[in-house]
Amino acid sequence: AQSVSQHNHHVILSEAASLELGCNYSYGGTVNLFWYVQYPGQHLQLLLKYFSGDPLVKGIKGFEAEFIKSKFSFNLRKPSVQWSDTAEYFCAVLSRNTGKLIFGQGTTLQVKP
Amino acid sequence: DTEVTQTPKHLVMGMTNKKSLKCEQHMGHRAMYWYKQKAKKPPELMFVYSYEKLSINESVPSRFSPECPNSSLLNLHLHALQPEDSALYLCASSQGLGGGYQETQYFGPGTRLLVL
Repeated sequence: AQSVSQHNHHVILSEAASLELGCNYSYGGTVNLFWYVQYPGQHLQLLLKYFSGDPLVKGIKGFEAEFIKSKFSFNLRKPSVQWSDTAEYFCAVLSRNTGKLIFGQGTTLQVKP
Repeated sequence: DTEVTQTPKHLVMGMTNKKSLKCEQHMGHRAMYWYKQKAKKPPELMFVYSYEKLSINESVPSRFSPECPNSSLLNLHLHALQPEDSALYLCASSQGLGGGYQETQYFGPGTRLLVL
């Protein structure tokens, strides 16, 4: 069965610290990969996505992610976090066969000012 | 424009009530989705419509009844819900379904539902 695993459930950082959130997926076919963010009380917003090509993907608000096919990973990074990055982060895999978007369990990021 | 709108923002209903949630998009997308999200949990897929036809029903109880009147609108009719159905209900849309398309799902703000 397809699955997405986010290793960090709750991350606490100070402002200006670097961020890396892990995401691994289990799926044998061609996948599209996404990171969504959900700020407190707000809806899911697309941070970035990978379909093909350059495995290093840049998204909004200074976020980037690297697709490593051999490791089935799509980790999210940001060199220097801000207090406003406090949010829930979801990694997701889109199965091209079924059209279903499969989410990881999410990582709560808390940035201390 | 990647906007998906949902109404109402909040809804409180009793277990005997009938209510409807509405979702609208004007991006020309042909696939629309309903998700249920509990606090601090990922969204769970409920239904998928493709070209106004129900494509996926994730074994959702019949007290939830989706409807797609046209390509821009998606409704979720609620009847005889249980308190455990209280959650954030999210609508999303994409250009189409998977199967080779490079699709991105765009989410609406959700309807926060409380069943008493």
